Parts: sequence; C-alpha cells; structure tokens
Amino acid sequence: EAGVVQSPRYKIIEKKQPVAFWCNPISGHNTLYWYLQNLGQGPELLIRYENEEAVDDSQLPKDRFSAERLKGVDSTLKIQPAELGDSAVYLCASRPPGFLYEQYFGPGTRLTVT
Amino acid sequence: AQTVTQSQPEMSVQEAETVTLSCTYDTSESDYYLFWYKQPPSRQMILVIRQEAYKQQNATENRFSVNFQKAAKSFSLKISDSQLGDAAMYFCAYRTNSGTYKYIFGTGTRLKVLA
Repeated sequence: EAGVVQSPRYKIIEKKQPVAFWCNPISGHNTLYWYLQNLGQGPELLIRYENEEAVDDSQLPKDRFSAERLKGVDSTLKIQPAELGDSAVYLCASRPPGFLYEQYFGPGTRLTVT
Repeated sequence: AQTVTQSQPEMSVQEAETVTLSCTYDTSESDYYLFWYKQPPSRQMILVIRQEAYKQQNATENRFSVNFQKAAKSFSLKISDSQLGDAAMYFCAYRTNSGTYKYIFGTGTRLKVLA
C-alpha cells in the first residue's frame, strides 16, 4: 500500500512569491491533516478535512493561506504571498474513519523563503 | 485546552542501554489516546506506540514501553536495548476522542545514541 505522498519535497522561493504544496493521502483515508512544523518544534495543526469539508481551520492564517481538497482525495495548501516566517516543514497526514485508527504522515515539504 | 509538555530537549543513551523520555499533559477529558512518534532526520513521522486512556495496562511494542500514570497525567517512553537506529526526535502527542480527532504534539526530545 502506498503511503501519503507529498510534493515537492523541497521548495525555495523569494518572499512575496506564491507557493503551493500537494498531498495525496492513502486510499480510503477520509481525514486529512495539514501541519506546520517549525525547526525544533512539534507539528501544529493548520487545517483538518473530513472528506472534502474543512472541519477545523481555526489555526490557518486565512489572510495568506488557503487550502482545498477536491473530491475528498488530494489536497493543496497554498501560501500567497509568502513571508520569511513561513520557512518551515509542511506535513500532511491522513487517517481512515473510526477512533481506533491512527494518522499516517507524509515525508513533508521543506519551505525556505529568502 | 489540552497541552502536552516534554521537558527534555535532548537525551543521550549508550548503545544497548535503556533510556526514558518524559511527557506530561493536561486535559479535563477522560477519553483520549496518547502517542509517541519518532521522527528521524528523513522527516517521516512514524508511530512508535499508543496508549488508550481507559486501559490501565501499559502498552508495549518490542523494545518500547510506556509508563502511563493517568492521575498524574504522565506518559513516559522507555526504550530498552537502545540501537543506533533509535536516534531521532521523539514527540509525545495527545488525541481527543470527542469526535474531532485533533492531535496535540509536544515540542519533542532529541535522542542521541552513542556507540
């Protein structure tokens, strides 16, 4: 079974430029998470989807961040415009329905804003 | 609001020895899960072990075991017979079972394994 796929793995952009990250969850996983992980810190939730619905986006900076999950499968996280402080690792995770199951993480995208 | 605290930024252990990583949490809920995740330099976060709050028996997975003290809100991870491959960041995490399935992570402990 394929794991959570994220692309790109690395991205370097100049400040004020837009950037987008893509996540393909494990097949059958209806819950999808986007996390922000700063250097030396634990992941912090940005947004959680149940199927195509964003059910928790309270931590998403909506002035510059946006996300979508079309058809309840793949998801895209966008930043426009990027700021120096956005340099971090962006992790995607997915989990199947039911409280017994765990989330599975992708390898993450390391963003560097110069 | 729930919080997770890892007070050890870094720990070292000699190969083949035992090390314990500490984690405390705060919650008013009674039904939840606790987890330890491992994140090696490759960044892929991997589940090490999980504990259900309503189970008094401590979880064990091969060389990894936990000491779950519900009243004290403590959840430590013990790694026995440490191996070089155990070197990584370890994150303690809390997950509510209230239906939101929201995970809250600690700040992590970097484990170094000395040959």
